[in-house]
Amino acid sequence: AQTVTQSQPEMSVQEAETVTLSCTYDTSESNYYLFWYKQPPSRQMILVIRQEAYKQQNATENRFSVNFQKAAKSFSLKISDSQLGDTAMYFCAFMKPSAYSGAGSYQLTFGKGTKLSVIP
Amino acid sequence: DTGVSQDPRHKITKRGQNVTFRCDPISEHNRLYWYRQTLGQGPEFLTYFQNEAQLEKSRLLSDRFSAERPKGSFSTLEIQRTEQGDSAMYLCASSLADRGRQFFGPGTRLTVL
Repeated sequence: AQTVTQSQPEMSVQEAETVTLSCTYDTSESNYYLFWYKQPPSRQMILVIRQEAYKQQNATENRFSVNFQKAAKSFSLKISDSQLGDTAMYFCAFMKPSAYSGAGSYQLTFGKGTKLSVIP
Repeated sequence: DTGVSQDPRHKITKRGQNVTFRCDPISEHNRLYWYRQTLGQGPEFLTYFQNEAQLEKSRLLSDRFSAERPKGSFSTLEIQRTEQGDSAMYLCASSLADRGRQFFGPGTRLTVL
């Protein structure tokens, strides 16, 4: 079974600064997807960024980028130029596509989340 | 807006009552997922449909839980004889049959008194 660990329950960052959220995972699979989801207070979960394990290049989406270290099973999220609207819970998630493994579903396995506060 | 919708958004019930939640996925999405999220935790997988077929169920889904997706469109999640431990946010997500990008609805917050 896969596990996802987010070791930082809470973090804060000054507006316009850069912050990095950590995530590690455990799997025996070689092909999989990793995700960062954002859940603002009382609002729905939004996909921030996705990484395919077979791609060596780190994914980027505007101010959001990841540092994917496959051998270390690490997947951190960097938020540049932090904005007040970035205040949210951030969840790291793992997915094992059954097309690669021949078994299992496309379920997401989530970490416990990191609560990020952007301070004006 | 053609995102994932869920109804109701909030449900308060007494222990022992039955409740049913509805999820309407994004129209062209053939995969639909149910997750449960308790306070301070990440969502946990409950079950998954591809079209109308329920392909996987988590061990979290006890016999009191049942999910359906008739005709491969909307889905319902029913909890029978609710218990206080069922209090949680129930999230629905949908996706297309590739790339694993799941889009989430706003959730149904269940409170069992």
